[in-house]
Amino acid sequence: NAGVTQTPKFQVLKTGQSMTLQCAQDMNHNSMYWYRQDPGMGLRLIYYSASEGTTDKGEVPNGYNVSRLNKREFSLRLESAAPSQTSVYFCASTLGSGGTYEQYFGPGTRLTVT
Amino acid sequence: GDSVTQMEGPVTLSEEAFLTINCTYTATGYPSLFWYVQYPGEGLQLLLKATKADDKGSNKGFEATYRKETTSFHLEKGSVQVSDSAVYFCALSLPRGGYNKLIFGAGTRLAVHP
Repeated sequence: NAGVTQTPKFQVLKTGQSMTLQCAQDMNHNSMYWYRQDPGMGLRLIYYSASEGTTDKGEVPNGYNVSRLNKREFSLRLESAAPSQTSVYFCASTLGSGGTYEQYFGPGTRLTVT
Repeated sequence: GDSVTQMEGPVTLSEEAFLTINCTYTATGYPSLFWYVQYPGEGLQLLLKATKADDKGSNKGFEATYRKETTSFHLEKGSVQVSDSAVYFCALSLPRGGYNKLIFGAGTRLAVHP
C-alpha cells in the first residue's frame, strides 16, 4: 500500500496563477482532509470531506476550493494564488469520523507564491 | 474553544539524555490524545496515542500518559538517540459535526547531538 500520496512535491506560482494539488489514498478510508503548515503554527485545517460526496470548510478555507472526486481522491484548488498561501500543504485520511481514529498523512506539497 | 499548548523549542539534548516535552490541552468533551512526529522533509507520522483518561501510549521507547486531572499528555523518553531528531506535535481529536477534528500544538523541534 502506498498510503496517502500527493502531487506535486514542490511548486512555484506567480501571484494570480491557479493550480490544483492532488491527493489520493489507497486505504479505503472514508474521510479526507487538507491542512496547511506554517512555521510556529502547527497544522490548520483548510477543508475536509467526511465521506464521498461531501465537503465542508475547516478553519482557514478562504482562497481555496476542494473536490472529492471519488472515495480515493481529494483535490485542493487555488483559483488565484496569493503570497499568503505560501505554505506546506498536507493531505490526510481516516477510516471514520470518530475521535479515536488516527489520521494518516501524505508527504506534503511545498508551495511558494511570488 | 479546543486547543493544545506544547512547550516551545528547540530542545537540544545529548545522546542518551532524558527527554520530556510538555503538552496540555483544553477541550469540551472527552478527546483522544496523540503525539505525531515529523522527520525533515516528510509528512507527519503517528508516534503514539491514548483514547481515555489514565491510558498510557507507548512506541519506540516514547511514552505519554493521558492525565485528565491536569489536562496533560507529556511525552517522555528515557534515552534519546540522534535518529530521534525531528519535530514533535501534540494533538487532540474530537468528533465534531460528523468529522474527526484534529487540533495540533505548534510543534517542538528536538535536536539530539552525539
